[in-house]
Order: sequence, then structure tokens, then C-alpha cells
Amino acid sequence: DIQLTQSPSFLSASVGDRVSITCRASLGINKYLAWYQLKPGKAPKLLIYDASTLQSGVPSRFSGSGSGTEFTLTISSLQPEDFATYWCQQLKSYPFTFGPGTKVDIK
Amino acid sequence: EVQLVQSGAEVKKPGESLKISCEGSGYSFSNYYIAWMRQMPGKGLEWVGIMHPGDSDVRYSPSFQGQVTMSADRSINIAYLQWTSLKASDTALYYCARPMIEHGYSGSDGGYLDYWGQGTLVTVSS
Repeated sequence: DIQLTQSPSFLSASVGDRVSITCRASLGINKYLAWYQLKPGKAPKLLIYDASTLQSGVPSRFSGSGSGTEFTLTISSLQPEDFATYWCQQLKSYPFTFGPGTKVDIK
Repeated sequence: EVQLVQSGAEVKKPGESLKISCEGSGYSFSNYYIAWMRQMPGKGLEWVGIMHPGDSDVRYSPSFQGQVTMSADRSINIAYLQWTSLKASDTALYYCARPMIEHGYSGSDGGYLDYWGQGTLVTVSS
């Protein structure tokens, strides 16, 4: 299985901050990476696919970059509604594993 | 509007069987894979597997192969995840989700999960 690691696992930030989350794959996965946002009591939301393509309806403050084994999700100016947990997922080969998640909390 | 509506929370005893459901609406159910994910208490997401209601193509994560069964009834647009003998370790929140592209299931063919159900909490306790 392809293992995904995320760093940091926890991030404390303020509204307006620029934050970045890194996802690293144990094997190269080309660009086949997605980022999801999960809030308590809500269904996960697809933010980014193909490593850098913004899903329709997702604010432009979210961006993704990377290919191969290292990827980054960046929120350019953190908003109150962005405090949530973020997961990466690889869709290069079965099983389509997820990272362990990064919780973004209010400082 | 595309929607995936999952069945309600379940409380079961070890050894019991269970079938949870995921009803799709607002799209051609038979043309899209349905993926299942597990989130154990306090843990991250795990990919259980994926199946195509139209042709019954099914792929399980090795961790879940033999532990669960995915199926679907395309006549009523419902996908299922079932257990024949539950264990306490099956206690988790289970999500179904639909990829963004018809017949897509992997990254190379648009298999990213853009619609999710609300989750079904399964509690297994004696």
C-alpha cells in the first residue's frame, strides 16, 4: 500500500494567516492526489483534485501544488469557516489511502 | 441535485449481522462507482473499497477483503455495505461517496470523490 504522511498533524492559526499543509507519499503518485475538508457533523468536502485543480465552488484562497511524492495544500488567508480537519488521499493505486489528517484550530 | 443519503445509526452486538445503505439520487446511479470509507473513533479515514452498480465491478482494500461485502440494487438506486459477523473493532463512522466522473474510479479517470453521504455510525458492543 502507498502510505501518506501529513505535517503538521495539528496547526494553530489566526484568521487571516497563510497556512500550508504537506502530504508526502511513500511512492510516486504522479498528480493523483486529492485534498478534503472535514468538519464535525458534516460530510467531507473535496477541495482539490489532481494535486492542484480547484474543485468547483471552492474559494480561491485554497490552492494545491506538488507531484510525485510531495504535495502542499495552502490556504492564503484563513477564514473562520476554514477551521477544520484536512486530509489528503492518493488515487494512483489500490487501496486509495488517506493521510492521517491535519487539524487546523483557532489560535 | 446529487445526493447520497445513508441509513441511520446502528447499535449491534458482536456476532450479529448488519447491512447499511447509501441511496443515490439526482444522477444516473448505474453509471457511477460508489466508494465506502471507515473512520474509527478518533482516527482518520480508511478506504474500504469501491463498486460499480452497473456492472458489479468490486475492488476491496486488502484490509477489508473478506470482512465486509459491498453490493447494490440499481433498481432502487441503493448501495450496501454489509457484515455477517460484527466485531467490536467494526465500531466506526462509515461514509459512502461518489466519484466525479461516470465510470471513473481512480485518479487517472476522474475518480475523485465529490459527493459524500452524511455517514452511518455503527456501534458494536456487548
